[in-house]
Amino acid sequence: SQKIEQNSEALNIQEGKTATLTCNYTNYSPAYLQWYRQDPGRGPVFLLLIRENEKEKRKERLKVTFDTTLKQSLFHITASQPADSATYLCALGRRAYGQNFVFGPGTRLSVLP
Amino acid sequence: DTGVSQDPRHKITKRGQNVTFRCDPISEHNRLYWYRQTLGQGPEFLTYFQNEAQLEKSRLLSDRFSAERPKGSFSTLEIQRTEQGDSAMYLCASRFVDRDDNEQFFGPGTRLTVL
Repeated sequence: SQKIEQNSEALNIQEGKTATLTCNYTNYSPAYLQWYRQDPGRGPVFLLLIRENEKEKRKERLKVTFDTTLKQSLFHITASQPADSATYLCALGRRAYGQNFVFGPGTRLSVLP
Repeated sequence: DTGVSQDPRHKITKRGQNVTFRCDPISEHNRLYWYRQTLGQGPEFLTYFQNEAQLEKSRLLSDRFSAERPKGSFSTLEIQRTEQGDSAMYLCASRFVDRDDNEQFFGPGTRLTVL
């Protein structure tokens, strides 16, 4: 069956360290993968997209990698800050015209001062 | 504010009642999506529109759920004969289909509690 998993449910790291979140999927062939941030009581906010033919994407302190052989994406936040504390969601984009997005369960990141 | 708006933000209803939610997308966006999210889970796709046409519905969407986007602008999601299992956050998102990054813009959601 199709499945998307994101590392642990919660991740605690110390301020200034690099946070690494994983997104693993099975039985999907996404055309691209997105990462979103969600704060409590709010809708998700788009952060980055990476396509199937791209290995790595960067935006400021964020870096995303995509390995279609391993069926895995890694999301890194360097020099993490308490303001980065949130739930991070990965979403797979379907190849077909319909372009549904399938979301993972999310990882709740807490950056401790 | 030119973001996606949803109304109401909270709805408490008794089992068996009908509820309707409204979503106003960003005005130039031609795609509109509805999702449901429960605690500790990611958003679950329900349905989406391209302009006024409903192009896809999730197989998980029962006959009690119906959505419309009559003029290709705002959309409504109706749940008939609500059940306790319908309690969730209902999220609306919109996007412009030709955007290269396929970014969806989400509204704040409507939190439904069925007693």
